[in-house]
Amino acid sequence: SAVISQKPSRDICQRGTSLTIQCQVDSQVTMMFWYRQQPGQSLTLIATANQGSEATYESGFVIDKFPISRPNLTFSTLTVSNMSPEDSSIYLCSVVGDNEQFFGPGTRLTVL
Amino acid sequence: RKEVEQDPGPFNVPEGATVAFNCTYSNSASQSFFWYRQDCRKEPKLLMSVYSSGNEDGRFTAQLNRASQYISLLIRDSKLSDSATYLCVVNTNAGKSTFGDGTTLTVKP
Repeated sequence: SAVISQKPSRDICQRGTSLTIQCQVDSQVTMMFWYRQQPGQSLTLIATANQGSEATYESGFVIDKFPISRPNLTFSTLTVSNMSPEDSSIYLCSVVGDNEQFFGPGTRLTVL
Repeated sequence: RKEVEQDPGPFNVPEGATVAFNCTYSNSASQSFFWYRQDCRKEPKLLMSVYSSGNEDGRFTAQLNRASQYISLLIRDSKLSDSATYLCVVNTNAGKSTFGDGTTLTVKP
């Protein structure tokens, strides 16, 4: 199994600002995933972060809006840039191990 | 059409009831199938994997029909603690998951 921690657990931000979310895993993993879960909806994959290469973004998500870092095999960051109220959501970090997907506790973001 | 579609719910059932959730997927190349459970304000957690032969874990039974591209989850003898949102998850490539919108179950005393 994998234990994932995220920081911050929640934040309230003003529009136009940026927030960086940190994800730490207790084991080395090749791929880390960033998801968004908007209120009342299911999870949508934002991007896949591989160590040593650029992240791969899903349709509808771009690097300028959601830059990702992956400096080593246990850590990643997701930045939500130039925020608007539409970015209010829960952002979850995830890894896969033993045919199971593990999620961090999420970062609950509210943009005013 | 969504890649993964679930019963919209919500399901409100009394304790002890049997409830079934259905899920269909559109990509015939899908490889792996799962049911996840998400409690309110918590992250999703794996409930069970789904195999063509079907699998059972206590009160929970999952079935996969590849020909019909259909997945089901049956919960018998519902408990109050089963109240949650149940997510159907389909993988086409290693580590890349597509989630259904979830079906919310409320079990009432």
